[in-house]
Amino acid sequence: EVRLVESGGALIQPGGSLRLSCAASGFTVISNYMAWVRQAPGKGLEWLSVIYSDGSTYHADSVKGRFTIARDTSKNTVYLQMNSLRAEDTAVYYCARVNGDYSDYIDFWGQGTLVTVSS
Amino acid sequence: QSVLTQPPSVSGAPGQRVTISCTGSSSNIGAFYVHWYQQLPGTAPRLLIYGDTNRPSGVPDRFSGSKSGTSASLAITGLQAEDEADYYCQSYDSNLSGGVFGGGTKLTVL
Repeated sequence: EVRLVESGGALIQPGGSLRLSCAASGFTVISNYMAWVRQAPGKGLEWLSVIYSDGSTYHADSVKGRFTIARDTSKNTVYLQMNSLRAEDTAVYYCARVNGDYSDYIDFWGQGTLVTVSS
Repeated sequence: QSVLTQPPSVSGAPGQRVTISCTGSSSNIGAFYVHWYQQLPGTAPRLLIYGDTNRPSGVPDRFSGSKSGTSASLAITGLQAEDEADYYCQSYDSNLSGGVFGGGTKLTVL
């Protein structure tokens, strides 16, 4: 059974850092594309970051230079390191598995973890 | 401002057919596949349609997708109360080199 379990969400002050984790089971992250998607309160979905099977990464302009996606294949876990956090980063962050066929779509989502940036 | 444009809301009575549009450009829908997701209140999104027209196993055939040029549509027939949710389209954008979502459409079953 495919499972994605996110953790690490918290209340954090502006300018702070946080690392989200996504533990995968039922498949291997090294063989798949993995992504982070976020959803601000009452808003739509935003495609944030992707790590491809070859280890290359993509980050949306809104988080480029501040967020970094990475993986630990020994733990079958994907991470999102978030630095210089801003109030507008407040959102539920979903970990997702990306299917690279048909020009990248998400075939499985985690349950999400809430990040609140506020003083 | 989302790269893909969807109507904020649509509604329909039980048993009716509704469609949700998704409009993009030549750098996304016009060149790449479109996918649709359903997000029930308080839950994570789930894949509804992939590759313009394909349904994953477990998705009822009441849901169907289509695409023409730089626009795509999701059709839901035989509307049921349980279909009340937010629906998002998604594609890939060559200018951004990444995935893009529509702003989402809230479906209300009257």
